[in-house]
Amino acid sequence: QKEVEQNSGPLSVPEGAIASLNCTYSDRGSQSFFWYRQYSGKSPELIMSIYSNGDKEDGRFTAQLNKASQYVSLLIRDSQPSDSATYLCAVDNQAGTALIFGKGTTLSVSS
Amino acid sequence: EAQVTQNPRYLITVTGKKLTVTCSQNMNHEYMSWYRQDPGLGLRQIYYSMNVEVTDKGDVPEGYKVSRKEKRNFPLILESPSPNQTSLYFCASRRAGGETQYFGPGTRLLVL
Repeated sequence: QKEVEQNSGPLSVPEGAIASLNCTYSDRGSQSFFWYRQYSGKSPELIMSIYSNGDKEDGRFTAQLNKASQYVSLLIRDSQPSDSATYLCAVDNQAGTALIFGKGTTLSVSS
Repeated sequence: EAQVTQNPRYLITVTGKKLTVTCSQNMNHEYMSWYRQDPGLGLRQIYYSMNVEVTDKGDVPEGYKVSRKEKRNFPLILESPSPNQTSLYFCASRRAGGETQYFGPGTRLLVL
């Protein structure tokens, strides 16, 4: 069974700090990696995708991928209370027919 | 507006009473999926469809059926619901080769 692991949290950071979210995956053949944000009672929303080793930056968000270590991370700089949500790591299966989701990390940003 | 719609949004039913949750997308996407989300278990794929008349099982298909007669619609059918199917259900779609999967607003189902 292919797995995606995340710390459930909660991860608590003060406003303006950097939040670091981590994810590991079991399938070495995975090629596509995603971070979704889900507010309570709402549907998941894609915030970052990454396909190559290294960093990818988009505004306050940076995704990092290390395929050798089977590790994906998301950094949120200058965290805001509006960033308080559950962050889901997702990995594409090799056939491209499904996203395998982690259980999510709950982030709380205090003002 | 590009969107995935689901109906109903909330449903309370009793064991054994057949129900259908509808899903529709207006983006002409080829791929559609159904997920369920449960506390402590995360999002798990129930069924997916790669195009009209092409469907296949995901990780947790038992007790569910789907059909894809039209590209835009992908209904989820519970022929004989049981309490362990109480969950939050999401429909999702994406373009073939596309990276962004769009989720519907969710359907919260309670089976008594």
